Amino acid sequence: DAGVIQSPRHEVTEMGQEVTLRCKPISGHNSLFWYRQTMMRGLELLIYFNNNVPIDDSGMPEDRFSAKMPNASFSTLKIQPSEPRDSAVYFCASSFLLSGGETGELFFGEGSRLTVL
Amino acid sequence: DAKTTQPTSMDCAEGRAANLPCNHSTISGNEYVYWYRQIHSQGPQYIIHGLKNNETNEMASLIITEDRKSSTLILPHATLRDTAVYYCIVRVAGESNYGQNFVFGPGTRLSVLP
Repeated sequence: DAGVIQSPRHEVTEMGQEVTLRCKPISGHNSLFWYRQTMMRGLELLIYFNNNVPIDDSGMPEDRFSAKMPNASFSTLKIQPSEPRDSAVYFCASSFLLSGGETGELFFGEGSRLTVL
Repeated sequence: DAKTTQPTSMDCAEGRAANLPCNHSTISGNEYVYWYRQIHSQGPQYIIHGLKNNETNEMASLIITEDRKSSTLILPHATLRDTAVYYCIVRVAGESNYGQNFVFGPGTRLSVLP
């Protein structure tokens, strides 16, 4: 199995530039999560999708962040414009939500390390 | 906010059992306890989960107290590769079928010593 695939693995950009992070979930999974991890704040849930629909985006820090899931096999997290405080590792995870709300395990990608100068 | 409390760090001798505690005193009846770990620079990895019964798999055992207010993850024979941050998570039940929300606290940094 390919697992959750994220790209790019590393990105260095300058403040003000647009950043797009990409995620391919595991085939057959119907839920997708975006997390951000920093030393100061740990792992933070940004947004999650179920059946390609955003369910909870309350963790998205501000309007500069947006996420889309145009189909079951692809999601993007965009930051525009980027700022140095956005520097973090961004993880994508997917799972299969069972009826009744129980879910199996979350499968995480290897993360995208973003550095904004 | 995370609904769990874990020690910040623990040490364990290689080959010995590692017992990682977690308090979740406000857990409700339909919430599961999940354990994940994160080895340096990697994405978190699922270990085990349970509702009220003790669970065991090839990686670990999960012991949940009868009142469900705390649990213990047991790695029976810790190896150096088990050095990681271990997260105990209570899954917040959502509305309808959208019951997913994994909130990670700071976790316990386990160091397995040779």
